[in-house]
Amino acid sequence: GAVVSQHPSRVICKSGTSVKIECRSLDFQATTMFWYRQFPKKSLMLMATSNEGSKATYEQGVEKDKFLINHASLTLSTLTVTSAHPEDSSFYICSAGGSYNYGYTFGSGTRLTVV
Amino acid sequence: GQQLNQSPQSMFIQEGEDVSMNCTSSSIFNTWLWYKQDPGEGPVLLIALYKAGELTSNGRLTAQFGITRKDSFLNISASIPSDVGIYFCAGQLQAGNMLTFGGGTRLMVKP
Repeated sequence: GAVVSQHPSRVICKSGTSVKIECRSLDFQATTMFWYRQFPKKSLMLMATSNEGSKATYEQGVEKDKFLINHASLTLSTLTVTSAHPEDSSFYICSAGGSYNYGYTFGSGTRLTVV
Repeated sequence: GQQLNQSPQSMFIQEGEDVSMNCTSSSIFNTWLWYKQDPGEGPVLLIALYKAGELTSNGRLTAQFGITRKDSFLNISASIPSDVGIYFCAGQLQAGNMLTFGGGTRLMVKP
């Protein structure tokens, strides 16, 4: 079945630094990848939709200069949290699929803690 | 953004009991999906429903796509401790589109 690998699973960084999170589709080509943020005991909040070879589409209220998304290949998308602050601490999850997909495969998530 | 209305928000049941949860939407979806999320993990797809009125089973799980295309339910029969987790419904308008999620149902099972 479709497998999506997300790395790292946990990361702690200092305020002001940048952190990169990778999302890879291991056994299929993903023309579309989605990035979510999840607060404790809350649902998934879509941050942006990433299409291979084009600029990501960000949801309202999500700062594109703070959350940089790159989808340079059909198997890899990255989310970079720039100049991280403690309020950026959260659980970030990616999902991947294609234009034919009903439902998507999710990565295992990244727990980001900014200190 | 839009979110589906999912209920109940949480359930605390005895092992062996049956569980039912549902989602409603003010707008139509052409696909309904049910996911389970374990702590510290990403959601895993349990059941996908593609046609209004469709009833689909996956082991002890049964889900139905409402005839109006604005709702769906998930039943879990004879619950076991490993059913513990958060269950999310999601609607999708068409293939390749984003998913709209419900608020989740937190299930706790007492052995």
